[in-house]
Amino acid sequence: GQQLNQSPQSMFIQEGEDVSMNCTSSSIFNTWLWYKQDPGEGPVLLIALYKAGELTSNGRLTAQFGITRKDSFLNISASIPSDVGIYFCAVGIPHGGSQGNLIFGKGTKLSVKP
Amino acid sequence: KAGVTQTPRYLIKTRGQQVTLSCSPISGHRSVSWYQQTPGQGLQFLFEYFSETQRNKGNFPGRFSGRQFSNSRSEMNVSTLELGDSALYLCASSLPQGRLGVSNEQFFGPGTRLTVL
Repeated sequence: GQQLNQSPQSMFIQEGEDVSMNCTSSSIFNTWLWYKQDPGEGPVLLIALYKAGELTSNGRLTAQFGITRKDSFLNISASIPSDVGIYFCAVGIPHGGSQGNLIFGKGTKLSVKP
Repeated sequence: KAGVTQTPRYLIKTRGQQVTLSCSPISGHRSVSWYQQTPGQGLQFLFEYFSETQRNKGNFPGRFSGRQFSNSRSEMNVSTLELGDSALYLCASSLPQGRLGVSNEQFFGPGTRLTVL
């Protein structure tokens, strides 16, 4: 089936550092989304991308929709402790007339450096 | 605007029982999707409802079913529970029409943590 390869699986951050993660697929998708999930909560939508090459920012977060439509990256600048959590990429799968469903990557877990 | 709400937040059941989970979407959202999240498989799509009709279904056995009411609230049911059904069940809602005709942003509730003993 369709899969998203998200990397890195985990990373440690120190306050003030910039963070980068990415997601790739072997198939073309028309919608890329980035979510963040805190423990015990549902994923929260951070950024949605609809156009190849699109670069979109949301505060300290910046995401890009790859020009080939097979990848996307998310950057977090000047990280702060509340950035800790699991970040997921997702793609939208339109199905006939429906909104379809989302396929998710396995997530990138951000933790604070001890 | 209130977000997606799910009840109950936590549930403990035993094998063979059945369970019903409830989801209230964001006001004005008419599409509701359900996902199962486990450590091993990650987030997996279960099904999607719009206007009380199931429009899309993931690769789950028939023990997993759902429905949507005229007020867009949705329920999912799992019958004959198995240990492997232990998971966080997430509901997401979205507006009825996607931008550019593709999948729209989906907004998730906090989930129901189901434990099967």
